[in-house]
Amino acid sequence: DIVMTQSPDSQAVSLGERATINCKSSQSVLYSSNNKNYLAWYQQKPGQPPKLLIYWASTRESGVPDRFSGSGSGTDFTLTISSLQAEDVAVYYCQQYYGIPFTFGPGTKVDIK
Amino acid sequence: EVQLAESGGGLVQPGRSLRLSCTISGFTFGDYAMTWVRQAPGKGLEWVSFIRSKAYGGTTEYAASVKGRFTISGDDSKTIAYLQMNSLKTEDTAMYYCGAALTTPGGVFDIWGQGTMVTVSS
Repeated sequence: DIVMTQSPDSQAVSLGERATINCKSSQSVLYSSNNKNYLAWYQQKPGQPPKLLIYWASTRESGVPDRFSGSGSGTDFTLTISSLQAEDVAVYYCQQYYGIPFTFGPGTKVDIK
Repeated sequence: EVQLAESGGGLVQPGRSLRLSCTISGFTFGDYAMTWVRQAPGKGLEWVSFIRSKAYGGTTEYAASVKGRFTISGDDSKTIAYLQMNSLKTEDTAMYYCGAALTTPGGVFDIWGQGTMVTVSS
């Protein structure tokens, strides 16, 4: 199984400041035949289901604000919130879909400082 | 409007069975890949099961923790997806979400229901 890890576990960021979340996979999720990284990011607010933000490591889902961006390749990935808004307080999960079982990272909680 | 709505959760004793339903609006079961993901109280997301679209054979996959006990399927009307859960254990206690991949790759889910809570306890 591909194990996903995230850092930090939590972070508090001032409004308008940048938040950066890291995700690492235990093996590469880059598929060489199409040069795509099988990595997605979700946002989950309390009492709500997960919401897809990004897939293919850097493709923003329709309707997701452009302050959210994804980067990285192979085994190391980053989700960046360029200017944190109050509504961004949530837990963020990375997920690999390179192989079965699909696996999620443990989550990173983002709060306002 | 595309929507998913889970139902069927509740309190059940260990060893018993429960069937969760995911009522589909706005598309037909089988046209898109679907999944069940669960979240134990205060914990992270755990993938449970996946069914490929008809175009990809409609084949199923399961997490090791539920394989042989859980079954994902759809009904003949193609408006409901099911998760049949047998031989339930206390560690199956969680909120269960169904998801679908409508505009995204098969392992990425862009539509989710609000979830149904399953509590396994004597």
